[in-house]
Amino acid sequence: SAVISQKPSRDICQRGTSLTIQCQVDSQVTMMFWYRQQPGQSLTLIATANQGSEATYESGFVIDKFPISRPNLTFSTLTVSNMSPEDSSIYLCSVGEDRGLPYGYTFGSGTRLTVV
Amino acid sequence: GEDVEQSLFLSVREGDSSVINCTYTDSSSTYLYWYKQEPGAGLQLLTYIFSNMDMKQDQRLTVLLNKKDKHLSLRIADTQTGDSAIYFCAEPSYGQNFVFGPGTRLSVLP
Repeated sequence: SAVISQKPSRDICQRGTSLTIQCQVDSQVTMMFWYRQQPGQSLTLIATANQGSEATYESGFVIDKFPISRPNLTFSTLTVSNMSPEDSSIYLCSVGEDRGLPYGYTFGSGTRLTVV
Repeated sequence: GEDVEQSLFLSVREGDSSVINCTYTDSSSTYLYWYKQEPGAGLQLLTYIFSNMDMKQDQRLTVLLNKKDKHLSLRIADTQTGDSAIYFCAEPSYGQNFVFGPGTRLSVLP
């Protein structure tokens, strides 16, 4: 399965600033997703990162707050903009390989963000 | 939309069996999944089961599926301290992403 490198692994940021999270995959993948895991909660899909076009956002998430780039089939970034303490979460990159289901998807190790 | 539910906590003694339960709502799901999240780590795919199966066994793991009741369970035999983690039940959603349950935190006591 694909190997994902996600950076940074953790960060503590001041409110009002922005943080860009990188997701690098060791092989070309069709689908890349960004999830948020708030403290003590399950995962919520933020958006699907589309190569060569704008990301597809889920209800409750907007591009101005979470801009996403996907310049090629192995790399994506998620930016958390104008951060507030409510943005403190783990952010996870996930990839779906061309083999598709039933193999499930691979997740990065996550970025633990604390906003102070 | 889809909804996945799990009990939030489970404690077992080392060497005992653990059973983690999950209920889901989308009866059209072709596959159902179990993911494991160890402390400070991302999610690791543990196992999956095809919807036309009742049971799948993989070493210490046994997955049982009751499609009529939309109930999925994960049994871990001879539970070890290294099994302490959060276990997420998941079903595929539109666009081939997943709907995750809230996760069951498994604590293994010595």
